[in-house]
Amino acid sequence: AQSVSQHNHHVILSEAASLELGCNYSYGGTVNLFWYVQYPGQHLQLLLKYFSGDPLVKGIKGFEAEFIKSKFSFNLRKPSVQWSDTAEYFCAAYSGNTGKLIFGQGTTLQVKP
Amino acid sequence: AAGVIQSPRHLIKEKRETATLKCYPIPRHDTVYWYQQGPGQDPQFLISFYEKMQSDKGSIPDRFSAQQFSDYHSELNMSSLELGDSALYFCASSLGLAVSQETQYFGPGTRLLVL
Repeated sequence: AQSVSQHNHHVILSEAASLELGCNYSYGGTVNLFWYVQYPGQHLQLLLKYFSGDPLVKGIKGFEAEFIKSKFSFNLRKPSVQWSDTAEYFCAAYSGNTGKLIFGQGTTLQVKP
Repeated sequence: AAGVIQSPRHLIKEKRETATLKCYPIPRHDTVYWYQQGPGQDPQFLISFYEKMQSDKGSIPDRFSAQQFSDYHSELNMSSLELGDSALYFCASSLGLAVSQETQYFGPGTRLLVL
């Protein structure tokens, strides 16, 4: 069965530090990958997505992710985090051919001012 | 731009009661997905509809049912509520099945608390 896993469950950084959140997926077919962010008490917002083409994807708020097929990874990066980046981050992938999303366990990012 | 609308935003029910959650997709979107997010957990897919037909089914209890209406809005009906049903219920919509390089857009969610 397809799965998405995030290995960092809780990350604490100081402002201006660089961020990298890991995401691995297991799926042999067409891969569609996403990163969503959930600010406290809010709904899921799409940060970026990968369907095909350039494996380095740029999203909103200065985030980017790199799809590495050989490593089954889609790690999220940001060169310099801000306090306002404090949130829960979910990696997700489409499962099957109906568009349902399966999510990783989520990573809680806490940025200290 | 118009977003996905969910109502109510908050709902408090007692055990064994019923609840109905509503989702209004983005205009022109014909596909609706329902997800359940328990406290501190990742969202879990429940059920989806495309063009008013059920397109997929996930870990949805038999006590729950859902449908999509002619105007593409969807309702999730939950009966015999249990304490464990307390969660945030998200609805997402897309134009066509989301695999065709379309993106799902999430609503703000309905927070259900079962006492």
